[in-house]
Amino acid sequence: DVKVTQSSRYLVKRTGEKVFLECVQDMDHENMFWYRQDPGLGLRLIYFSYDVKMKEKGDIPEGYSVSREKKERFSLILESASTNQTSMYLCASSPQRGGSDTQYFGPGTRLTVL
Amino acid sequence: QKEVEQDPGPLSVPEGAIVSLNCTYSNSAFQYFMWYRQYSRKGPELLMYTYSSGNKEDGRFTAQVDKSSKYISLFIRDSQPSDSATYLCATRNTGFQKLVFGTGTRLLVSP
Repeated sequence: DVKVTQSSRYLVKRTGEKVFLECVQDMDHENMFWYRQDPGLGLRLIYFSYDVKMKEKGDIPEGYSVSREKKERFSLILESASTNQTSMYLCASSPQRGGSDTQYFGPGTRLTVL
Repeated sequence: QKEVEQDPGPLSVPEGAIVSLNCTYSNSAFQYFMWYRQYSRKGPELLMYTYSSGNKEDGRFTAQVDKSSKYISLFIRDSQPSDSATYLCATRNTGFQKLVFGTGTRLLVSP
C-alpha cells in the first residue's frame, strides 16, 4: 500500500520565519510534487521533481524552494513566510516519468502564518 | 479563464440518487482525464482514469469524456452517505505528468 507522509498536520508560524515542510514516500516513486490548496482556487502546483536533485517550477513557485536529496524525500521551504502563504499544502508522488497518472497524496499540512 | 472549470457546489442529494458531477476544459490538447475524491482533512485519492473520449465504468462509478465539447463527467449510481466528499477533476496532455485540477465539487449525500 502506497504511503505518503507529511511531517506535520498543523503548523503555525510567524511572518518572516523559515518554514520546512517534509514529505516522504515509501514506494520508490520517481516523481514527487508539492501543491497548495485554497478555497475557490483548487490545487495549484508549486514545484515538482522527477529525480533526485532535479526540480522543476510549477505554476506558483514564487516564495518557495524545494530540495530533493534522496529519492523518497521531497522538502518544501518557505524562505520567509508571509500571511498569504497560509494554506493547505499537499505532497504527492507517482511512479516513473510518463507512466501512470495516479498521484498518491499525503494527508496535507495546514499552515497558518500569523 | 481557468483551464479547467468545475462548479464548487455543494451538491446535496438523498441517499440512492444518481449523481452527476461535471467539468469543462479549454485546452484541446488534453488527452488524459481523472477524477479524484477527497474526504475532509485527507489528501485526494484517484477514483477514475480515462484516456481520450469514451466511457469507463467501475462499480457504481462511470466516467465519461466528450472531447468534441470538452466536457468530462462522473456519474455515481445509488449514492451513499460515504460518497460525501469533494470530487476533483484533473487532466493533462501527453508528456510529463503535470496535472491541471478543477477546483472541486463538494457532494453531500444525506441518509
